[in-house]
Amino acid sequence: AQSVTQPDARVTVSEGASLQLRCKYSYSATPYLFWYVQYPRQGLQLLLKYYSGDPVVQGVNSFEAEFSKSNSSFHLQKASVHWSDSAVYFCALSMTGNYKYVFGAGTRLKVIA
Amino acid sequence: GALVYQYPRRTICKSGTSMRMECQAVGFQATSVAWYRQSPQKTFELIALSTVNSAIKYEQNFTQEKFPISHPNLSFSSMTVLNAYLEDRGLYLCGARDRGEQYFGPGTRLTVL
Repeated sequence: AQSVTQPDARVTVSEGASLQLRCKYSYSATPYLFWYVQYPRQGLQLLLKYYSGDPVVQGVNSFEAEFSKSNSSFHLQKASVHWSDSAVYFCALSMTGNYKYVFGAGTRLKVIA
Repeated sequence: GALVYQYPRRTICKSGTSMRMECQAVGFQATSVAWYRQSPQKTFELIALSTVNSAIKYEQNFTQEKFPISHPNLSFSSMTVLNAYLEDRGLYLCGARDRGEQYFGPGTRLTVL
């Protein structure tokens, strides 16, 4: 069965520091991969997506993610975080030709001064 | 651009009563609509997927008898939570898709008293 694992439930970083949120997936083929952000009491906002091609994808607000087929990973990164980045981040996959999305458990990011 | 609206944004119902929520796609044709639930402190679970000209497919642990869905045209879908109880509380997301990307609405937050 397809699955998405976000091993870190909570991450705390200092403002201005770099960030990496981890995401591992399980799927026999190459999936479509997504990162979403959920601000308090709101829905999901798409940060970036990977369908094919260049394994490094750029997203909104200077986020980027790197797809690794060998590691079955799609880690999210940002060079310098801002306090406004505090939110819950979800990694998700969609299987080729299938409209179903499978979400990870989410990582709660807290940015401190 | 493509937008997905959900109504209502927040709702409260008494235990044992029912609650209907709506999803509207604007700017694209929603050939498929997926309904997800995020229970408190949890990730998003797929309830069901509705695709035009196909039967609505419910995920394990979710049934049509509990979550009837209507998808009458390419811009609208509704879902009812019948006989709601405490375990049904959470954020209900609608994801609407044409042949490309899936767009998520802001969600309907259901509180059950």
